[in-house]
Amino acid sequence: AQSVTQLGSHVSVSEGALVLLRCNYSSSVPPYLFWYVQYPNQGLQLLLKYTTGATLVKGINGFEAEFKKSETSFHLTKPSAHMSDAAEYFCAVSVNSGNTPLVFGKGTRLSVIA
Amino acid sequence: DSGVTQTPKHLITATGQRVTLRCSPRSGDLSVYWYQQSLDQGLQFLIQYYNGEERAKGNILERFSAQQFPDLHSELNLSSLELGDSALYFCASSVGGGTATDTQYFGPGTRLTVL
Repeated sequence: AQSVTQLGSHVSVSEGALVLLRCNYSSSVPPYLFWYVQYPNQGLQLLLKYTTGATLVKGINGFEAEFKKSETSFHLTKPSAHMSDAAEYFCAVSVNSGNTPLVFGKGTRLSVIA
Repeated sequence: DSGVTQTPKHLITATGQRVTLRCSPRSGDLSVYWYQQSLDQGLQFLIQYYNGEERAKGNILERFSAQQFPDLHSELNLSSLELGDSALYFCASSVGGGTATDTQYFGPGTRLTVL
């Protein structure tokens, strides 16, 4: 079975600073990896996803993530945080084996300080 | 706006009662997924329907059931409600049958409070 661990339930950064949200996965077969963002009182929105091919994936709002198989990681980064980035971020994993649903991490709340 | 609609936005009820949550997928999407989000369990997959048929089942309690209708909207029925069922319930939809690369589009959720 697949699983996701997000290190740090709460991350706080200054506006303009680097954003780094950590995600490690566990999967016995090649994974598909996703990052979703949830703004207050809203549903989840897909930021980016890795399926196959290039391991550095660019998403919306200036975010990107790199799939590192050797480290079983898929960390999310953004060079410069903006106040509007404050939200909850979820990493999720799936596999191309039958019809397997997304398995989500517990989420990381990002706060951006002016 | 994802194009997925959920009603109602908020629901307050008592233990032992039964409620129905409704979801309309994006136009053209054939799959509907239901998730439960709570503080202690996080975001958990409940069940998926594709074109009217159950496609995948997750951590869904026997007191819960769902269906997808011919017009592709879906309903999640929660019965014999307990305090622990209080959570945010999300619906998501996708074009395909739930392959790993399908992008799921989430609705705004229904917040259920059981008193």
